[in-house]
Amino acid sequence: SAVISQKPSRDICQRGTSLTIQCQVDSQVTMMFWYRQQPGQSLTLIATANQGSEATYESGFVIDKFPISRPNLTFSTLTVSNMSPEDSSIYLCSVGAGRSGNTIYFGEGSWLTVV
Amino acid sequence: AQSVTQPDIHITVSEGASLELRCNYSYGATPYLFWYVQSPGQGLQLLLKYFSGDTLVQGIKGFEAEFKRSQSSFNLRKPSVHWSDAAEYFCAVGSPRGSTLGRLYFGRGTQLTVWP
Repeated sequence: SAVISQKPSRDICQRGTSLTIQCQVDSQVTMMFWYRQQPGQSLTLIATANQGSEATYESGFVIDKFPISRPNLTFSTLTVSNMSPEDSSIYLCSVGAGRSGNTIYFGEGSWLTVV
Repeated sequence: AQSVTQPDIHITVSEGASLELRCNYSYGATPYLFWYVQSPGQGLQLLLKYFSGDTLVQGIKGFEAEFKRSQSSFNLRKPSVHWSDAAEYFCAVGSPRGSTLGRLYFGRGTQLTVWP
């Protein structure tokens, strides 16, 4: 398994500001992903964080709004830029781990409220 | 198009009763299926997964799931529910390999309430 730590776990942010969420894994992993879970909703994939190259974004998500870094195989950050109340969500980091790297584990999530 | 349907938004069962949570999927290739549980204020915990082999898979906390290709289903079951099982359950589908490995599509979740 993989142990995934996210910081911050919770935050209340002012409209128009930006916040960076950190994701740290206890082992090297090839695949890292960022998901969003809006209140009362399911999870939606934001992007795949690629080590050494630009992240791959899903439809509806853009780099200017959600810049992602992946400096090494154990760490990634997601920034939520110019926040509005609609960005109030849980943001979850996930990784592919296990023998084939295809068991997908999730962090505890970062609960953001934008006021 | 890839999609996951969990037809039951909310299920209530009595403690000790059996449980079945339904999940149907649509996926253009061999599916890789997961069930996760999310307790209030928590992240997602992996219950079990299926890619190949025995279509009945065992997971943690006494849960099991059965893959039925003909029905495009992956229903989660537990023979006797405990009060601590009250949570939200998510079914997800993805690819086990290649460039889309790890990119999961989730159902909307089923909220489980357990009565004492």
